[in-house]
Amino acid sequence: KAGVTQTPRYLIKTRGQQVTLSCSPISGHRSVSWYQQTPGQGLQFLFEYFSETQRNKGNFPGRFSGRQFSNSRSEMNVSTLELGDSALYLCASRINSGSDEQFFGPGTRLTVL
Amino acid sequence: GESVGLHLPTLSVQEGDNSIINCAYSNSASDYFIWYKQESGKGPQFIIDIRSNMDKRQGQRVTVLLNKTVKHLSLQIAATQPGDSAVYFCAEIPPRTGANNLFFGTGTRLTVIP
Repeated sequence: KAGVTQTPRYLIKTRGQQVTLSCSPISGHRSVSWYQQTPGQGLQFLFEYFSETQRNKGNFPGRFSGRQFSNSRSEMNVSTLELGDSALYLCASRINSGSDEQFFGPGTRLTVL
Repeated sequence: GESVGLHLPTLSVQEGDNSIINCAYSNSASDYFIWYKQESGKGPQFIIDIRSNMDKRQGQRVTVLLNKTVKHLSLQIAATQPGDSAVYFCAEIPPRTGANNLFFGTGTRLTVIP
């Protein structure tokens, strides 16, 4: 069974631009969560989607948004990029929203110049 | 608010020795804890978990200990191998936040010296 895949793996943007990251969960998994990982803050929860609906949301500004499609694939969007948005963005999938174990993808490394 | 921190940012051990990675958490009501391993260029990988009704849980070469009195977690790796070199995170799930509201520490980098 293929793992969680994320595209692109690396991305360079400039301040003010917007970016869209994609995540394909493990086949059969319906819950997708997004995390931001930085050296200073560690892993921080962004949001979770289940059945195309946002179920939980972390403490990030409205510039960070996401969505989930009927095939459980998810995208996250960051608008008006800031230097501080440079981070590794990780996607994790699990079977259902109430399941404990999450499986992480390799992440998308975003650099904002 | 909740916070999960790690006592040591780096740890170096000799191959074959046992490793102990520590973690402190602040929410005494948290009822579920997970240890993750993250290798360079990869996402975190689940290692072992423990619920608050347990003090100890063992896996293959790994043991997690939970001390609720002092709000402390530790991950013990037996006979550490070079493949164990990675960053290790502990994460807690406070109650009533949903299993996806994991709070992670910044991680401890474990280096195994051959």
